[in-house]
Amino acid sequence: GENVEQHPSTLSVQEGDSAVIKCTYSDSASNYFPWYKQELGKRPQLIIDIRSNVGEKKDQRIAVTLNKTAKHFSLHITETQPEDSAVYFCAAIPLGFLSSNTGKLIFGQGTTLQVKP
Amino acid sequence: NAGVTQTPKFRVLKTGQSMTLLCAQDMNHEYMYWYRQDPGMGLRLIHYSVGEGTTAKGEVPDGYNVSRLKKQNFLLGLESAAPSQTSVYFCATYRISGMHEQYFGPGTRLTVT
Repeated sequence: GENVEQHPSTLSVQEGDSAVIKCTYSDSASNYFPWYKQELGKRPQLIIDIRSNVGEKKDQRIAVTLNKTAKHFSLHITETQPEDSAVYFCAAIPLGFLSSNTGKLIFGQGTTLQVKP
Repeated sequence: NAGVTQTPKFRVLKTGQSMTLLCAQDMNHEYMYWYRQDPGMGLRLIHYSVGEGTTAKGEVPDGYNVSRLKKQNFLLGLESAAPSQTSVYFCATYRISGMHEQYFGPGTRLTVT
């Protein structure tokens, strides 16, 4: 089955700096890679995702890159702000035909990002 | 719309006691999931359901049972609670024809003493 490794487990940056979180996956059939953000005491929420037919996707200050050959993908946050402080989870899933799509996400272990003002 | 709700929000159990966590959704999503979240271990899937009347095991199913008698509800049961089940439990839903986003409930913090 799929296994997702996420690094680093904690990351501390100064406000305005960039932050990068990396994940590797094991199942070459995985083709959908979402990132979830969980603020302290809150529920995880989707912030960005990427499909395997795309190498990069941007949404304002956040971007995700995917290297299918190396089986790794990364989250990039530029111009970090204190409100970016949270736990970030990467995940992977093979999206197959409807009958085999259980929607089961395999999550990484999470990265606690602290943005110091 | 309430989205995904969980009951209760907090609970303290003694070892050996039983309880049921309720997840309810009003989004008409087909699939539902129960996760547990422990420090440094991410979100681990306990059980999931792809439709009313069906359930399946996830990564860490031991010590838990589930039922999905109605499409909108997914129940997680602990028959005999153990301290190792102290965790934060999240329910999530997923719409198979949607954007592949899982929608999470607010979580239940369970402590077993």
